[in-house]
Amino acid sequence: EAQVTQNPRYLITVTGKKLTVTCSQNMNHEYMSWYRQDPGLGLRQIYYSMNVEATDKGDVPEGYKVSRKEKRNFPLILESPSPNQTSLYFCASSLFMSGTDTQYFGPGTRLTVL
Amino acid sequence: KQEVTQIPAALSVPEGENLVLNCSFTDSAIYNLQWFRQDPGKGLTSLLLIQSSQREQTSGRLNASLDKSSGRSTLYIAASQPGDSATYLCAVRGRNTGNQFYFGTGTSLTVIP
Repeated sequence: EAQVTQNPRYLITVTGKKLTVTCSQNMNHEYMSWYRQDPGLGLRQIYYSMNVEATDKGDVPEGYKVSRKEKRNFPLILESPSPNQTSLYFCASSLFMSGTDTQYFGPGTRLTVL
Repeated sequence: KQEVTQIPAALSVPEGENLVLNCSFTDSAIYNLQWFRQDPGKGLTSLLLIQSSQREQTSGRLNASLDKSSGRSTLYIAASQPGDSATYLCAVRGRNTGNQFYFGTGTSLTVIP
């Protein structure tokens, strides 16, 4: 089954404790992206990647890191989480080439930073 | 920067009614516009994608139109059903914003049986 998986689905942590949210897709998509969703602000793009070893900042990259060492995986790293990073996070992927931009989303990771 | 707006923020209709959801964007130079559905506690599901060269796309009871020059898109849902209750979001990929996507804040739809 074609899918985007994220882990963990729920995470409660404390300020300053490094964490990683994993994202994996099995559709051989070039494009992968991370979003955060906050009430009243909608989805905002954090980082995206056009392919292996190619990452770019979105609108809200501060406090986050990403890496793309393999085509299927795109982990999101919070080196020193803060309470303002409490949010619902989504990973997405798409073929992207030739304008085929249909994005497929993971189920989301709800993060709470105390 | 691209700004995407969806009005209304919430909508409640009786079952069987036809309805229209609106999406507007500030920069008309886009590659495409996509409509998604989001159920509570779930991820987003793609409904329709309209390329910049297209005027509309249809899937079952859903029809999405695109008017680039005015910066607008509408999602028409025919004969609404309680199962259509969800939040509907639109997103654009702009020619002037590289490879980024911009989302509206969504319209929360409730279809009353």
